[in-house]
Amino acid sequence: DAGITQSPRHKVTETGTPVTLRCHQTENHRYMYWYRQDPGHGLRLIHYSYGVKDTDKGEVSDGYSVSRSKTEDFLLTLESATSSQTSVYFCATLGGSGTEAFFGQGTRLTVV
Amino acid sequence: AQSVTQLDSQVPVFEEAPVELRCNYSSSVSVYLFWYVQYPNQGLQLLLKYLSGSTLVESINGFEAEFNKSQTSFHLRKPSVHISDTAEYFCAVSASTFTDKLIFGTGTRLQVFP
Repeated sequence: DAGITQSPRHKVTETGTPVTLRCHQTENHRYMYWYRQDPGHGLRLIHYSYGVKDTDKGEVSDGYSVSRSKTEDFLLTLESATSSQTSVYFCATLGGSGTEAFFGQGTRLTVV
Repeated sequence: AQSVTQLDSQVPVFEEAPVELRCNYSSSVSVYLFWYVQYPNQGLQLLLKYLSGSTLVESINGFEAEFNKSQTSFHLRKPSVHISDTAEYFCAVSASTFTDKLIFGTGTRLQVFP
């Protein structure tokens, strides 16, 4: 299994505050992704990265930004959290073969 | 762009019965197809994948899926389910390029009853 660690695992925050979620991988995978999981919507791609400092938007990127200053770390920032961003967030990397995604354990974020 | 449709949000089944979880995709190019499984409070794990070659692919725990290009489907089947198969199953697609991103369906919750 790819070593993917998400932190924090749980967070409760207030509307309007900034929040940063961290994804750390130990496999030296080039591609990394942030998804959110919501009932009835499955997993939706927020942002992804194809290398250090190389990122792009997914289908639900509004209100989110990302940064990747090192291969192993991919940060997701909610600039000003809203209740609609209450969700479970998953980080994933793409394995060396390019055809298998490895997922972290998820971060449950509640915006009150 | 690619898309995935999982028609069944929930599938209840008794232990040792067969099950089929349906997945249809849409794409204007060749695709890779995947099934991922999510056990409660965990991340997703790859169950099986179709890249090319034989249209029937199998997993190590008895699941199989068949790629049907004419029907644009990739249904997941198991001839006899166990309680431990209770989980959420996601179908996913990506274009046949290394760098393309995975697009997921909305998931099917398989509930196996004793």
